Amino acid sequence: GDSVTQMEGPVTLSEEAFLTINCTYTATGYPSLFWYVQYPGEGLQLLLKATKADDKGSNKGFEATYRKETTSFHLEKGSVQVSDSAVYFCARGRGNKLVFGAGTILRVKS
Amino acid sequence: GAGVSQSPRYKVAKRGQDVALRCDPISGHVSLFWYQQALGQGPEFLTYFQNEAQLDKSGLPSDRFFAERPEGSVSTLKIQRTQQEDSAVYLCASSSSPDNSYEQYFGPGTRLTVT
Repeated sequence: GDSVTQMEGPVTLSEEAFLTINCTYTATGYPSLFWYVQYPGEGLQLLLKATKADDKGSNKGFEATYRKETTSFHLEKGSVQVSDSAVYFCARGRGNKLVFGAGTILRVKS
Repeated sequence: GAGVSQSPRYKVAKRGQDVALRCDPISGHVSLFWYQQALGQGPEFLTYFQNEAQLDKSGLPSDRFFAERPEGSVSTLKIQRTQQEDSAVYLCASSSSPDNSYEQYFGPGTRLTVT
């Protein structure tokens, strides 16, 4: 069935380090792809999205490119901050619902 | 503006009790979703409403789970005869469109603990 696989965490980085969180999805059709973020004590928030192949979603310095050939949607940020510490979820659209990965904990140390 | 709200935020139930979880979506949002999030996992879809119509309930784990949205706004997720495996965070989300490319706005969740 449809699934989303993302790299296991926790990922621990120093401030200003480069971040990559890998995400791959099973390819049935051309789903919309999303990254959601959950900050400590808060609800899930949409971070960025891409709705077709080769689209790049970006927000708050984060980017992800919809790669149809590798069925991937990896999240990147050039220079992380302590305030980026959170749980990041990759998701794909399926019909009218979202299918989520298991989440990746990011910890940024000052 | 007001986001999605859920109540209660925390619920402790003895095994076998019935519980009701409430979701107030963003005003005017036609689509409403319920997800279940187990500890350390991503949310898993339970059910979907478009206005008052429940169009997809394929994710409900058993017939003990029931959801309704009678007037196309507030929704209630009911769990009968709770079991320990029902312990999870229950998330509600709403969207302005049934198209899944539109953003779903999530509430803070209700953490259910069954003892």
